[in-house]
Amino acid sequence: EADIYQTPRYLVIGTGKKITLECSQTMGHDKMYWYQQDPGMELHLIHYSYGVNSTEKGDLSSESTVSRIRTEHFPLTLESARPSHTSQYLCASSDGSGGKNEQYFGPGTRLTVT
Amino acid sequence: QKEVEQDPGPLSVPEGAIVSLNCTYSNSAFQYFMWYRQYSRKGPELLMYTYSSGNKEDGRFTAQVDKSSKYISLFIRDSQPSDSATYLCAPGVNSGGYQKVTFGTGTKLQVIP
Repeated sequence: EADIYQTPRYLVIGTGKKITLECSQTMGHDKMYWYQQDPGMELHLIHYSYGVNSTEKGDLSSESTVSRIRTEHFPLTLESARPSHTSQYLCASSDGSGGKNEQYFGPGTRLTVT
Repeated sequence: QKEVEQDPGPLSVPEGAIVSLNCTYSNSAFQYFMWYRQYSRKGPELLMYTYSSGNKEDGRFTAQVDKSSKYISLFIRDSQPSDSATYLCAPGVNSGGYQKVTFGTGTKLQVIP
């Protein structure tokens, strides 16, 4: 069973606020990912990290930023939330070594910006 | 055209039925194939992972991959109401250390008691 955690699970916040979505995993995985998913739509990769101090942007352009100071922690920050940021944000991790490509997901954070 | 195509459903079946969920893809570079189950308002849960053509079985689930026709299937035997969820196929490729997984939009399954 995957041990990957996200907080908060639900967040309703006003326009212009700064928010940080937390993601932690206890599996020691080097690779971590943030995806965005709208209802009925596929997951889109917005950020990924292959290890401490390594972060890259994904396929979907996002105004969010990420950091990876510790292996187990991969927070996502929005400096100024807008209604267009309303979505579900999913964090995932994978081992990535020796052909272990499986990605394990957290429960997600459902963000609503009013 | 999307790289990964799934029939969105919903697919309604009676309890105990055999369910067949299908997915096609266009990128011949995909090296491994995953199936996820996603309940409403939850994160995706990994069901199956395979990296070669052929069948892989795990309990009531069988994943089938045909790389020559770029076709992926997930079979569920003795379906249960708890199987009601959206099923995502997710092929992936590793290139230059970059692990890229492309997700389908999912097929919604409803198992009727």
